[in-house]
Amino acid sequence: DIQMTQSPSSLSASVGDRVTITCRASQSISSHLNWYQEKPGKAPKLLIYAASSLHSGVPSRFSGSGSGTDFSLTISSLQPEDFATYYCQQSYTTPRTFGQGTKLEIK
Amino acid sequence: EVQLVESGGDLVQPGGSLRLSCAASGFTLSSYAMSWVRQAPEKGLEWVSGISGSGDSTYYADSVKGRFTISRDNSKNTLYLQMNSLRVEDTALYYCAKDDRITVVRGALNYYNYYYMDVWGKGTTVTVSS
Repeated sequence: DIQMTQSPSSLSASVGDRVTITCRASQSISSHLNWYQEKPGKAPKLLIYAASSLHSGVPSRFSGSGSGTDFSLTISSLQPEDFATYYCQQSYTTPRTFGQGTKLEIK
Repeated sequence: EVQLVESGGDLVQPGGSLRLSCAASGFTLSSYAMSWVRQAPEKGLEWVSGISGSGDSTYYADSVKGRFTISRDNSKNTLYLQMNSLRVEDTALYYCAKDDRITVVRGALNYYNYYYMDVWGKGTTVTVSS
């Protein structure tokens, strides 16, 4: 199985900050990488697919980059509603493994 | 509106069985692959199983292979997850999700499908405990 490792596991930041979360795959997955946002009591929401494509309705402050084994999710200017947990997931092969998550908290 | 609604979660003893359902509306279920994803208490997301639009192909995480069976009834717009030989570690919130894809053509003969889960239900809770 492909292992997905996110860093950091948690992150404290302030409104307006620029933050980057990284995700590393245990083998090359080309651009088959998605990012999801999860808030307590809510279903996960798709943010980015195919490593860098912004899902419909997602604010443009979210962006994704990378290919092969190294990927990143960047939020250009944090808004109050962005404090949540973020997961990367590979869709290169089954099982479609997730990273362990990055919890973004208010500083 | 595209919507997924899970049901069937319950408290069950170890070794027991349960069948989860996921009712789809607002889209043609047969046109899409579907997945089940779970989240144990205070843990991250775990992909559990997937099924093609026709139902001909199914996929499982190693942790549930041989115990869980995914299926679908496109005429009823419903996805299922039959869970047998349940274990305490199967305790989780179970989500169903719609798989979508984009196809990127590169060159005359090469194309790539990129899959992602774009619609999720709110989940149903399974608790395995004696």
